[in-house]
Amino acid sequence: GDSVTQMEGPVTLSEEAFLTINCTYTATGYPSLFWYVQYPGEGLQLLLKATKADDKGSNKGFEATYRKETTSFHLEKGSVQVSDSAVYFCALQNSGNTPLVFGKGTRLSVIA
Amino acid sequence: KAGVTQTPRYLIKTRGQQVTLSCSPISGHRSVSWYQQTPGQGLQFLFEYFSETQRNKGNFPGRFSGRQFSNSRSEMNVSTLELGDSALYLCASSLDGRGNEQFFGPGTRLTVL
Repeated sequence: GDSVTQMEGPVTLSEEAFLTINCTYTATGYPSLFWYVQYPGEGLQLLLKATKADDKGSNKGFEATYRKETTSFHLEKGSVQVSDSAVYFCALQNSGNTPLVFGKGTRLSVIA
Repeated sequence: KAGVTQTPRYLIKTRGQQVTLSCSPISGHRSVSWYQQTPGQGLQFLFEYFSETQRNKGNFPGRFSGRQFSNSRSEMNVSTLELGDSALYLCASSLDGRGNEQFFGPGTRLTVL
């Protein structure tokens, strides 16, 4: 079945450091790909998404590019802030009305 | 526009009891999905309801059930609770579930003693 693998955390960075969280997927067909973020005590929020190969999703300084050839959707941010500390989930949805399939999540801690 | 609300936010039960969790979707959203989040298994899909019908179901035992009402509010029920059912239960709503963005509620934290 479909699956998502993302790098294990926790990831600890200093403020203004560069962030990469790796995500690869296995799926039949051409899934849509997502990054969700979960702040402490809250539900998940959609951070960005891409629906076809070579699409780049971006939001709040975060970016991820849908790479079909490497089945990847790595999350990047050029300069992280303390407020970015959260758990990040990579997810896919294989067709219009199938459920989201999530990776295990990567906890990011940014220290001042 | 009000977001997805879930009640209660926290719940403590003992093994063998049953529990009902509630989810009110964003107004106008007709699809409601439920997920279980645990440290070991991560986020796992339970089921999805659309227009009062279960449209998708994950790989959970029959102790987990749900329903959706005509106003799109949804409930999930877990019977004969086990220690392993301790988790954060998240509800997500979307317009029709067909590739539209899913909006998540804050979750219900269930602890089974």
